[in-house]
Amino acid sequence: DAGVIQSPRHEVTEMGQEVTLRCKPISGHNSLFWYRQTMMRGLELLIYFNNNVPIDDSGMPEDRFSAKMPNASFSTLKIQPSEPRDSAVYFCASSLLARGETQYFGPGTRLLVL
Amino acid sequence: AQKITQTQPGMFVQEKEAVTLDCTYDTSDQSYGLFWYKQPSSGEMIFLIYQGSYDEQNATEGRYSLNFQKARKSANLVISASQLGDSAMYFCAMRFSGYSTLTFGKGTMLLVSP
Repeated sequence: DAGVIQSPRHEVTEMGQEVTLRCKPISGHNSLFWYRQTMMRGLELLIYFNNNVPIDDSGMPEDRFSAKMPNASFSTLKIQPSEPRDSAVYFCASSLLARGETQYFGPGTRLLVL
Repeated sequence: AQKITQTQPGMFVQEKEAVTLDCTYDTSDQSYGLFWYKQPSSGEMIFLIYQGSYDEQNATEGRYSLNFQKARKSANLVISASQLGDSAMYFCAMRFSGYSTLTFGKGTMLLVSP
């Protein structure tokens, strides 16, 4: 079974550029989460969707960040314009709204903003 | 306040020995879920084990077991017969009642030596 798929795996960009991160959740899962991991702040939840609807975006740092989930099998996290402090590993995770609601993570996207 | 604490920044263990990684939590909820994830140096987040607050038996998954002590609000991970491949960062996480999101501890780095 395919797990959570993220692309790209690595992204290097210059400050001010737009960055789009992509995620395909596990088929049949109805919740999707975007996390950011840095040494300083650890794992932070940015936003999560339930049945394609954003439920909690209180973790989104600022207006430069936006996330969409146009259908059950695809989500994007966009940063525009990017800044060096956005450099981090961005994880997407998905879960099934059932007992446990175990979240399964994708491999992450390592973003470096120069 | 609802929080989760991992007090051990790092742990060392010799191969084939058992090791316990500590995790305590603070909540007044009766229903919640506890999770452990492994993050090796390659960066992915790997789900290891889940315990529901109403589960009477401690969860086990292969060499992993969760020592769940509800009255003490602890959910320690026990790894039996450590292997070199167990060297990684380990995160304890909690899903509080009424939420689909996870709150993560800061992690414990485990190093297994030959």
